[in-house]
Amino acid sequence: DAKTTQPPSMDCAEGRAANLPCNHSTISGNEYVYWYRQIHSQGPQYIIHGLKNNETNEMASLIITEDRKSSTLILPHATLRDTAVYYCIVAAGGFKTIFGAGTRLFVKA
Amino acid sequence: NAGVTQTPKFQVLKTGQSMTLQCAQDMNHEYMSWYRQDPGMGLRLIHYSVGAGITDQGEVPNGYNVSRSTTEDFPLRLLSAAPSQTSVYFCASSYSPSERYEQFFGPGTRLTVL
Repeated sequence: DAKTTQPPSMDCAEGRAANLPCNHSTISGNEYVYWYRQIHSQGPQYIIHGLKNNETNEMASLIITEDRKSSTLILPHATLRDTAVYYCIVAAGGFKTIFGAGTRLFVKA
Repeated sequence: NAGVTQTPKFQVLKTGQSMTLQCAQDMNHEYMSWYRQDPGMGLRLIHYSVGAGITDQGEVPNGYNVSRSTTEDFPLRLLSAAPSQTSVYFCASSYSPSERYEQFFGPGTRLTVL
């Protein structure tokens, strides 16, 4: 499975867009890009996933570059409740899901 | 739907004791898995199941057993607890192990082994 690289931490002002980058240069053709987040010590929460097209849902947008080697998760209007660890994962199937250390996002008032 | 439920929420064991962590889901999901998360780390896959009667090992299976007799339940057994197994344990389920489907996680069991 492809490995991902994320910055260890990021800050964002409340109400602003939070843009979380992820590099996955060894991604293969059948691997999806997934984003989960973990608030405090709760179980991870699914946010969004995509294969090669940009995706949007009620929580976030996912922008995948044309070569699929990187992606960006966008939280359009970050709130204090979005403070969490965000995991970018590339996966070819649930049993091959590997969680790295993620990006710790701090949303500040 | 209750989603994925885990019991107990907290547990303290002594070295050498055994116990079973319970996990259940009411979404008729085919795929279930167990992860452990050590402080400041990401999640590591312990065991997984792609259906009733079918289980397999993940990254860190040593010291743990699983079984899947029903679609709903996927218990994790610690055979002889060790301090190195102090961790937070998360159970997850998915409609299918296919890459197309997201995983739903339980609230976790916080285990301390003395």
